[in-house]
Amino acid sequence: DQQVKQNSPSLSVQEGRISILNCDYTNSMFDYFLWYKKYPAEGPTFLISISSIKDKNEDGRFTVFLNKSAKHLSLHIVPSQPGDSAVYFCAATVSGSARQLTFGSGTQLTVLP
Amino acid sequence: NAGVTQTPKFQVLKTGQSMTLQCAQDMNHEYMSWYRQDPGMGLRLIHYSVGAGITDQGEVPNGYNVSRSTTEDFPLRLLSAAPSQTSVYFCASKRGILINEQFFGPGTRLTVL
Repeated sequence: DQQVKQNSPSLSVQEGRISILNCDYTNSMFDYFLWYKKYPAEGPTFLISISSIKDKNEDGRFTVFLNKSAKHLSLHIVPSQPGDSAVYFCAATVSGSARQLTFGSGTQLTVLP
Repeated sequence: NAGVTQTPKFQVLKTGQSMTLQCAQDMNHEYMSWYRQDPGMGLRLIHYSVGAGITDQGEVPNGYNVSRSTTEDFPLRLLSAAPSQTSVYFCASKRGILINEQFFGPGTRLTVL
């Protein structure tokens, strides 16, 4: 049973437009959420995160929105650039002794020039 | 700093062979972990360590052993490789157990024939 779901395996967006990547979770204990970006043949790199006490966190072109009642978060990238083409993983954790990350299956974003 | 390093980058094994995937970090991070990434599955936690001498099982620990004799190193051992262990393996570390963001190595692509 996947506790973190990314239902869109792929997304294509035109350069300059907005990219919206979605993530749903089922475990109501999750209280911190992260997005990682992964290029081929590289490890995931941390992109942006949000605590459950917030509903929005912004960092440059990247904004993460959290809707706790719907157990849904989204990553907005605006404007999208070709270099943003990568696999994006959503992850969630419960504040606790080891803060394990539970990952979604990822969404391949392709930004078309 | 080199960050998190993993060796080898690629490995092919025959069923029943054993091998050790190496992971090292030079950031003096307490917490280290191993994940495997399979198509459509995201990253799944195999084993983790909250400090030298302390290890614990993650979501998919069967078939893997770990040890943590130093802060810097966290090797993953496959005692008798099986085709189901064909995957990409990522090592990760973070400064402490109360920190959420993890740093990932570049990965080891393992094929078991």
